[in-house]
Amino acid sequence: QSALTQPASVSGSPGQSITISCTGTSSDVGGYNYVSWYQQHPGKAPKVMIYEVSNRPSGVSNRFSGSKSGNTASLTISGLQAEDEADYYCSSYTSSSTLYVFGTGTKVTVL
Amino acid sequence: EVQLVQSGAEVKKPGESLQISCKASGYSFTTDWLGWVRQMPGKGLEWMGVIDPGDSDTRYSPSFQGQVTISADKSISTAYLQWSGLKASDTAIYYCARLGRRTYYLDYWGQGTLVTVSS
Repeated sequence: QSALTQPASVSGSPGQSITISCTGTSSDVGGYNYVSWYQQHPGKAPKVMIYEVSNRPSGVSNRFSGSKSGNTASLTISGLQAEDEADYYCSSYTSSSTLYVFGTGTKVTVL
Repeated sequence: EVQLVQSGAEVKKPGESLQISCKASGYSFTTDWLGWVRQMPGKGLEWMGVIDPGDSDTRYSPSFQGQVTISADKSISTAYLQWSGLKASDTAIYYCARLGRRTYYLDYWGQGTLVTVSS
């Protein structure tokens, strides 16, 4: 089971929107609506931002949104803020025996 | 309140064995899967595997199969990650996290356990 593919880094200015892609296969991202996204600040445990492709847990800003097309999922952060600077990981259920898989991770920089 | 509380940091020598723990509270331990995630220094999250505490059904990522053992004791709502012969490359932070059985996302995370393996 290979990791899902994400860009290594994405950057944007405050107030702009950015999108992070997450590419998998029909055995994971493309085959199920169980894509989730996690935010991790340095020295902290990850925090879920999006689950089931586009759902936001209670307390997560509506500036974060998710979508999926085919084998690629996306996380969009609108109205970029300094506090959004962090690492972001996608993940998905997979039909392989391992059950779950992470993406390679994307470092978001707010310029 | 759901909580996952992990055991403290460990410093070990190569070849030694180790077991770290993750104690769950605030929910029925057998309701959901319990997964383990590795994060090596400066690197990304890696899925190690997961256990169903209800029946101890365990699934390992191929990279970790045979390298670690995941177990659980439902009588004390605690999951474990075990090594029988540590290597320097096992130096990392290890997180446990609850994986929803029907939602398949990691909604609660432990605070992480730093394992340092050095001679």
